[in-house]
Amino acid sequence: NAGVMQNPRHLVRRRGQEARLRCSPMKGHSHVYWYRQLPEEGLKFMVYLQKENIIDESGMPKERFSAEFPKEGPSILRIQQVVRGDSAAYFCASSPVVFRTGGHGYTFGSGTRLTVV
Amino acid sequence: AQKVTQAQTEISVVEKEDVTLDCVYETRDTTYYLFWYKQPPSGELVFLIRRNSFDEQNEISGRYSWNFQKSTSSFNFTITASQVVDSAVYFCALRPTQGAQKLVFGQGTRLTINP
Repeated sequence: NAGVMQNPRHLVRRRGQEARLRCSPMKGHSHVYWYRQLPEEGLKFMVYLQKENIIDESGMPKERFSAEFPKEGPSILRIQQVVRGDSAAYFCASSPVVFRTGGHGYTFGSGTRLTVV
Repeated sequence: AQKVTQAQTEISVVEKEDVTLDCVYETRDTTYYLFWYKQPPSGELVFLIRRNSFDEQNEISGRYSWNFQKSTSSFNFTITASQVVDSAVYFCALRPTQGAQKLVFGQGTRLTINP
Protein backbone atom coordinates (compact mmCIF):
# COMPACT_ATOMS: atom_id res chain seq x y z
CA ASN A 1 0.00 0.00 0.00
CA ALA A 2 2.00 2.92 -1.29
CA GLY A 3 1.96 6.11 0.71
CA VAL A 4 1.51 9.61 -0.67
CA MET A 5 3.58 9.97 -3.83
CA GLN A 6 4.94 13.34 -4.81
CA ASN A 7 6.92 14.11 -7.91
CA PRO A 8 9.29 15.38 -8.81
CA ARG A 9 11.40 15.31 -5.65
CA HIS A 10 13.47 18.23 -6.90
CA LEU A 11 12.48 20.82 -9.46
CA VAL A 12 14.57 23.67 -10.81
CA ARG A 13 12.89 26.45 -12.74
CA ARG A 14 14.11 29.75 -14.15
CA ARG A 15 12.28 32.89 -13.16
CA GLY A 16 9.15 33.29 -15.25
CA GLN A 17 8.67 29.59 -15.99
CA GLU A 18 5.84 27.43 -14.76
CA ALA A 19 6.16 24.78 -12.06
CA ARG A 20 3.85 21.79 -11.82
CA LEU A 21 3.94 19.66 -8.69
CA ARG A 22 2.10 16.36 -8.54
CA CYS A 23 0.63 14.46 -5.65
CA SER A 24 -1.03 11.04 -5.66
CA PRO A 25 -2.85 10.45 -2.38
CA MET A 26 -2.72 7.30 -0.37
CA LYS A 27 -5.12 4.60 -1.52
CA GLY A 28 -8.50 5.11 0.11
CA HIS A 29 -7.85 8.77 0.93
CA SER A 30 -10.13 11.29 -0.71
CA HIS A 31 -8.78 14.49 0.87
CA VAL A 32 -5.61 16.22 -0.30
CA TYR A 33 -3.78 19.13 1.31
CA TRP A 34 -0.84 21.21 0.12
CA TYR A 35 1.61 22.90 2.49
CA ARG A 36 4.60 25.10 1.81
CA GLN A 37 7.75 25.19 3.89
CA LEU A 38 9.98 28.17 3.31
CA PRO A 39 13.64 27.75 4.32
CA GLU A 40 14.08 27.56 8.08
CA GLU A 41 10.34 27.90 8.70
CA GLY A 42 7.41 25.71 9.65
CA LEU A 43 4.82 24.39 7.24
CA LYS A 44 2.06 26.71 6.14
CA PHE A 45 -1.28 25.48 4.84
CA MET A 46 -2.06 26.40 1.26
CA VAL A 47 -5.11 24.51 0.01
CA TYR A 48 -7.44 21.61 0.81
CA LEU A 49 -9.12 19.69 -1.98
CA GLN A 50 -11.46 16.80 -2.50
CA LYS A 51 -12.05 15.20 -5.88
CA GLU A 52 -13.01 17.95 -8.35
CA ASN A 53 -13.56 20.46 -5.51
CA ILE A 54 -11.48 23.07 -3.76
CA ILE A 55 -12.71 23.09 -0.17
CA ASP A 56 -10.40 25.65 1.43
CA GLU A 57 -7.86 27.78 -0.41
CA SER A 58 -7.38 30.34 2.33
CA GLY A 59 -3.61 29.84 2.32
CA MET A 60 -3.06 30.19 -1.41
CA PRO A 61 -1.39 33.33 -2.73
CA LYS A 62 -3.90 35.34 -4.71
CA GLU A 63 -1.93 35.29 -7.94
CA ARG A 64 0.05 32.75 -9.93
CA PHE A 65 -0.87 29.76 -7.74
CA SER A 66 -3.61 27.25 -8.51
CA ALA A 67 -4.48 23.71 -7.48
CA GLU A 68 -6.70 20.98 -8.77
CA PHE A 69 -7.65 17.44 -7.89
CA PRO A 70 -9.37 15.94 -10.93
CA LYS A 71 -11.66 12.96 -10.95
CA GLU A 72 -8.88 10.90 -12.45
CA GLY A 73 -5.20 11.38 -11.77
CA PRO A 74 -3.08 13.16 -9.21
CA SER A 75 -3.58 16.49 -7.56
CA ILE A 76 -1.59 19.27 -9.23
CA LEU A 77 -0.18 22.42 -7.65
CA ARG A 78 0.66 24.88 -10.40
CA ILE A 79 2.79 27.96 -10.00
CA GLN A 80 2.92 30.28 -12.97
CA GLN A 81 5.72 32.77 -13.67
CA VAL A 82 7.80 31.60 -10.74
CA VAL A 83 9.90 34.05 -8.76
CA ARG A 84 12.85 33.43 -6.43
CA GLY A 85 10.55 33.76 -3.41
CA ASP A 86 8.66 30.65 -4.53
CA SER A 87 11.71 28.53 -3.72
CA ALA A 88 10.54 26.21 -0.97
CA ALA A 89 9.59 22.66 -0.13
CA TYR A 90 6.02 21.84 -1.06
CA PHE A 91 4.41 19.01 0.85
CA CYS A 92 1.26 17.15 0.00
CA ALA A 93 -0.76 15.23 2.57
CA SER A 94 -3.81 13.04 2.26
CA SER A 95 -6.35 11.82 4.77
CA PRO A 96 -9.45 9.65 4.91
CA VAL A 97 -12.87 11.17 5.45
CA VAL A 98 -12.81 10.19 9.12
CA PHE A 99 -9.75 9.68 11.28
CA ARG A 100 -9.49 6.08 12.44
CA THR A 101 -8.66 5.31 16.04
CA GLY A 102 -4.92 4.96 16.41
CA GLY A 103 -4.25 6.06 12.86
CA HIS A 104 -2.05 8.91 11.74
CA GLY A 105 -4.89 10.97 10.35
CA TYR A 106 -2.68 12.58 7.75
CA THR A 107 -0.06 10.91 5.59
CA PHE A 108 2.56 13.24 4.15
CA GLY A 109 4.52 12.81 0.96
CA SER A 110 8.27 13.34 0.83
CA GLY A 111 7.86 16.79 -0.63
CA THR A 112 9.00 18.59 -3.78
CA ARG A 113 11.91 20.96 -3.40
CA LEU A 114 11.44 23.83 -5.83
CA THR A 115 14.41 26.00 -6.62
CA VAL A 116 13.93 29.09 -8.74
CA VAL A 117 17.12 30.37 -10.37
CA ALA B 1 -7.80 31.81 15.40
CA GLN B 2 -5.49 28.92 16.10
CA LYS B 3 -1.85 29.22 16.95
CA VAL B 4 0.95 26.85 17.89
CA THR B 5 4.07 28.17 19.58
CA GLN B 6 7.33 26.29 19.89
CA ALA B 7 9.41 28.79 21.79
CA GLN B 8 12.64 26.80 21.55
CA THR B 9 14.15 27.49 18.15
CA GLU B 10 17.21 25.31 18.67
CA ILE B 11 18.29 22.85 21.33
CA SER B 12 21.66 21.14 21.54
CA VAL B 13 22.42 18.36 24.02
CA VAL B 14 24.95 15.63 24.47
CA GLU B 15 23.99 12.08 23.65
CA LYS B 16 22.16 10.17 26.41
CA GLU B 17 20.77 13.33 27.95
CA ASP B 18 17.01 13.71 28.29
CA VAL B 19 15.48 16.60 26.39
CA THR B 20 12.00 18.16 26.40
CA LEU B 21 10.54 20.08 23.48
CA ASP B 22 7.82 22.52 24.43
CA CYS B 23 4.59 23.15 22.54
CA VAL B 24 1.91 25.63 23.57
CA TYR B 25 -1.25 26.10 21.56
CA GLU B 26 -4.22 28.45 21.32
CA THR B 27 -7.64 27.46 20.05
CA ARG B 28 -11.28 28.29 20.66
CA ASP B 29 -12.41 24.85 19.57
CA THR B 30 -13.68 22.58 22.30
CA THR B 31 -12.28 19.46 20.68
CA TYR B 32 -9.16 19.23 18.60
CA TYR B 33 -6.24 17.05 17.58
CA LEU B 34 -2.60 17.63 18.47
CA PHE B 35 0.28 16.18 16.50
CA TRP B 36 4.04 15.87 16.62
CA TYR B 37 6.13 15.34 13.49
CA LYS B 38 9.85 14.77 13.01
CA GLN B 39 11.70 16.16 10.00
CA PRO B 40 15.15 14.54 9.72
CA PRO B 41 17.90 16.06 7.56
CA SER B 42 16.59 14.08 4.58
CA GLY B 43 13.54 16.37 4.66
CA GLU B 44 10.52 14.12 4.86
CA LEU B 45 7.90 14.45 7.58
CA VAL B 46 7.65 11.53 9.97
CA PHE B 47 4.50 11.14 12.02
CA LEU B 48 5.12 10.65 15.74
CA ILE B 49 1.79 11.00 17.53
CA ARG B 50 -1.80 12.18 17.22
CA ARG B 51 -3.71 13.01 20.38
CA ASN B 52 -7.38 13.88 20.75
CA SER B 53 -8.10 16.71 23.18
CA PHE B 54 -10.49 14.64 25.28
CA ASP B 55 -7.75 12.13 26.03
CA GLU B 56 -5.43 13.70 28.58
CA GLN B 57 -3.51 10.57 29.40
CA ASN B 58 0.18 10.89 28.86
CA GLU B 59 1.71 8.53 26.38
CA ILE B 60 5.01 6.71 26.22
CA SER B 61 6.48 5.01 23.19
CA GLY B 62 9.94 3.66 23.81
CA ARG B 63 12.23 6.60 24.53
CA TYR B 64 9.52 9.09 23.54
CA SER B 65 6.88 10.45 25.88
CA TRP B 66 4.27 13.16 25.60
CA ASN B 67 2.77 15.26 28.37
CA PHE B 68 -0.60 16.77 27.48
CA GLN B 69 -1.82 19.45 29.92
CA LYS B 70 -5.12 20.90 28.77
CA SER B 71 -5.16 23.37 31.67
CA THR B 72 -2.02 25.05 30.35
CA SER B 73 -2.65 24.32 26.64
CA SER B 74 0.62 22.48 26.36
CA PHE B 75 1.66 19.28 24.63
CA ASN B 76 5.31 18.72 25.43
CA PHE B 77 7.52 16.02 24.00
CA THR B 78 10.36 14.36 25.89
CA ILE B 79 13.11 12.16 24.48
CA THR B 80 14.83 10.05 27.10
CA ALA B 81 18.43 8.95 26.67
CA SER B 82 18.77 10.89 23.42
CA GLN B 83 20.69 9.47 20.47
CA VAL B 84 22.42 11.10 17.52
CA VAL B 85 19.68 9.74 15.23
CA ASP B 86 17.18 11.89 17.11
CA SER B 87 18.76 14.98 15.54
CA ALA B 88 16.02 16.61 13.47
CA VAL B 89 13.53 19.43 13.39
CA TYR B 90 10.42 18.63 15.39
CA PHE B 91 7.04 20.20 14.67
CA CYS B 92 3.97 20.41 16.84
CA ALA B 93 0.63 20.91 15.05
CA LEU B 94 -3.07 21.45 15.82
CA ARG B 95 -6.35 20.87 14.03
CA PRO B 96 -9.96 21.10 15.24
CA THR B 97 -11.88 17.85 15.37
CA GLN B 98 -14.74 19.42 13.43
CA GLY B 99 -14.76 22.11 10.81
CA ALA B 100 -11.57 23.39 9.20
CA GLN B 101 -9.34 20.48 8.33
CA LYS B 102 -6.04 22.24 7.93
CA LEU B 103 -3.13 21.64 10.25
CA VAL B 104 -1.60 24.65 11.97
CA PHE B 105 2.09 24.06 12.60
CA GLY B 106 4.49 25.59 15.05
CA GLN B 107 7.77 27.02 13.80
CA GLY B 108 9.63 23.89 14.77
CA THR B 109 12.50 23.13 17.14
CA ARG B 110 15.84 22.09 15.70
CA LEU B 111 17.28 19.42 17.96
CA THR B 112 20.95 18.52 17.70
CA ILE B 113 22.29 15.55 19.61
CA ASN B 114 26.07 15.65 19.90
CA PRO B 115 28.08 12.45 20.37
